[in-house]
Amino acid sequence: EPEVTQTPSHQVTQMGQEVILRCVPISNHLYFYWYRQILGQKVEFLVSFYNNEISEKSEIFDDQFSVERPDGSNFTLKIRSTKLEDSAMYFCASSSVGSRSNYGYTFGSGTRLTVV
Amino acid sequence: AQTVTQSQPEMSVQEAETVTLSCTYDTSESDYYLFWYKQPPSRQMILVIRQEAYKQQNATENRFSVNFQKAAKSFSLKISDSQLGDAAMYFCAYRSAGSNSGYALNFGKGTSLLVTP
Repeated sequence: EPEVTQTPSHQVTQMGQEVILRCVPISNHLYFYWYRQILGQKVEFLVSFYNNEISEKSEIFDDQFSVERPDGSNFTLKIRSTKLEDSAMYFCASSSVGSRSNYGYTFGSGTRLTVV
Repeated sequence: AQTVTQSQPEMSVQEAETVTLSCTYDTSESDYYLFWYKQPPSRQMILVIRQEAYKQQNATENRFSVNFQKAAKSFSLKISDSQLGDAAMYFCAYRSAGSNSGYALNFGKGTSLLVTP
């Protein structure tokens, strides 16, 4: 079964540093997403990406964050100048929409980001 | 914005018994999708079951079934013959059918399910 792959599984970074979280979505999917889950809390939507541009973003997704699909296969989330409160699990997901028979959403295994 | 409410922070069930997890949501839309996701200690998000709002028939997947009450905006998950491996956090999620939402999932706060032998 196709998978969404995220790397690394765990990243530790110093406060103020920039991090890039990487994801390889399922190849025939059209929408890509990033979600965040602070430990013990609910999963929160950050951003969705379609046709090489952001289609929707939440209030959390401010100027500190950016997304990119640099080479047609990878989908990255960049966090500039990390803060302690950015420590969370970050999930990438992809979906194929446009057909009622195929609205499935597949999540990656997540990247645990620890800011120290 | 749509809100998803899971009123049970924790639930407990004995192995082989049945348990129902509650979920309600608030929306003005008529077309949408609802999901239940399971998150074990590994924290991976695993799709358990999904329901299209335009379908009246409740979705079922083996031991998992839903009770979808569109007028009441209720979407509960029933787990039959509970197994130790069902112990996890369960999240209810809503997704608009319209493209202007970017198809983002809106999650509830989750219900932690404990399965006892």
